Amino acid sequence: ETGVTQTPRHLVMGMTNKKSLKCEQHLGHNAMYWYKQSAKKPLELMFVYSLEERVENNSVPSRFSPECPNSSHLFLHLHTLQPEDSALYLCASSQNFRDEQYFGPGTRLTVT
Amino acid sequence: GENVEQHPSTLSVQEGDSAVIKCTYSDSASNYFPWYKQELGKRPQLIIDIRSNVGEKKDQRIAVTLNKTAKHFSLHITETQPEDSAVYFCAARVNDYKLSFGAGTTVTVRA
Repeated sequence: ETGVTQTPRHLVMGMTNKKSLKCEQHLGHNAMYWYKQSAKKPLELMFVYSLEERVENNSVPSRFSPECPNSSHLFLHLHTLQPEDSALYLCASSQNFRDEQYFGPGTRLTVT
Repeated sequence: GENVEQHPSTLSVQEGDSAVIKCTYSDSASNYFPWYKQELGKRPQLIIDIRSNVGEKKDQRIAVTLNKTAKHFSLHITETQPEDSAVYFCAARVNDYKLSFGAGTTVTVRA
């Protein structure tokens, strides 16, 4: 597997469920990102990690909880989500902050 | 924070014609401007980028121009082909790590 992978690709969850999104990068990059992509809106940066340390928490509600156990893996833990949280969640990585960001295929999340 | 406006939101062109997408940004300190292409159901992919010390950059049928004074930059696609149909996003780097994206332009190339 090469590049940036994300699992699952699709997820349907109720508002009381707890689930996790997983991202893995096989590029040897040092920085990883979570973005939210909603229809007709700009990509929204949620979290940034550099060498496993969180650099940015862009005013994201606490029902989203990131985890970066090592430089290759990034998780987004979800609990008590709202229907408006339904979106495509994209993971990205870059060698360093100033370098090109490579995106994963995304997880299409539907909250019912 | 940085605010990136992108126009138009949709663009339909005849195959072989040119397509132009424009973006404006608010933070004069922004110094890096990438363009991403996202085909239906696929991930965004970088197609071209430009840094603030350059006014224009070209890669085959794709070119980007930057006007720092006016704080706007544009993507130009010449001789459009059906495979150019996609959503295109512009972005501006606000600080060391944060990219602010435009809302996207859906380009449809009519055969």
